Amino acid sequence: SQQGEEDPQALSIQEGENATMNCSYKTSINNLQWYRQNSGRGLVHLILIRSNEREKHSGRLRVTLDTSKKSSSLLITASRAADTASYFCATDKLGGGGATNKLIFGTGTLLAVQP
Amino acid sequence: NAGVTQTPKFQVLKTGQSMTLQCAQDMNHEYMSWYRQDPGMGLRLIHYSVGAGITDQGEVPNGYNVSRSTTEDFPLRLLSAAPSQTSVYFCASSRGLQTTNEKLFFGSGTQLSVL
Repeated sequence: SQQGEEDPQALSIQEGENATMNCSYKTSINNLQWYRQNSGRGLVHLILIRSNEREKHSGRLRVTLDTSKKSSSLLITASRAADTASYFCATDKLGGGGATNKLIFGTGTLLAVQP
Repeated sequence: NAGVTQTPKFQVLKTGQSMTLQCAQDMNHEYMSWYRQDPGMGLRLIHYSVGAGITDQGEVPNGYNVSRSTTEDFPLRLLSAAPSQTSVYFCASSRGLQTTNEKLFFGSGTQLSVL
């Protein structure tokens, strides 16, 4: 079963606009990560946020984490055509013995940035 | 460094055939994993390994075998291919265990079709 679910499934914006994608998850986590996948390629890590962090920035990326709502958001500011890709959140699942060694991915958001 | 290398990039099999998807990394990573990616399903974890000689099951392990005889290699075996195994397969590795908040490095994928 999926741990993370992204919303929306697809998003189309104009260059220069901001893009926001959301991720909800089901169980307690140790960390949450965001990855990007260009069409036909492997995934590339973007940013990791730990469960005790609320916000993290990396260049034009801003990630927030709300553990009380079990949700995270990825904001891409001033988007570019080159940002066109699928974006996935991924979490480890905390069980009774602590964090697992499994990184579980959501179903992804397909972002299209129109030039 | 080549990173994570997967071979072959494309493969067509007939139902019942067997094959091995190869994965090698040159980053001295302890953790390696296999995912499959299907439309609308995101990435699902098949098997993973936390070190040479140690493997464990992921979310969808049935129909797949793995072994880890060296730190560098983590092959995925399909013993008797089925059409339901038509998918894109990704190998990924990380420096440590997921409990240490490590990011995954992905290979470029193997597109497998089972007729």
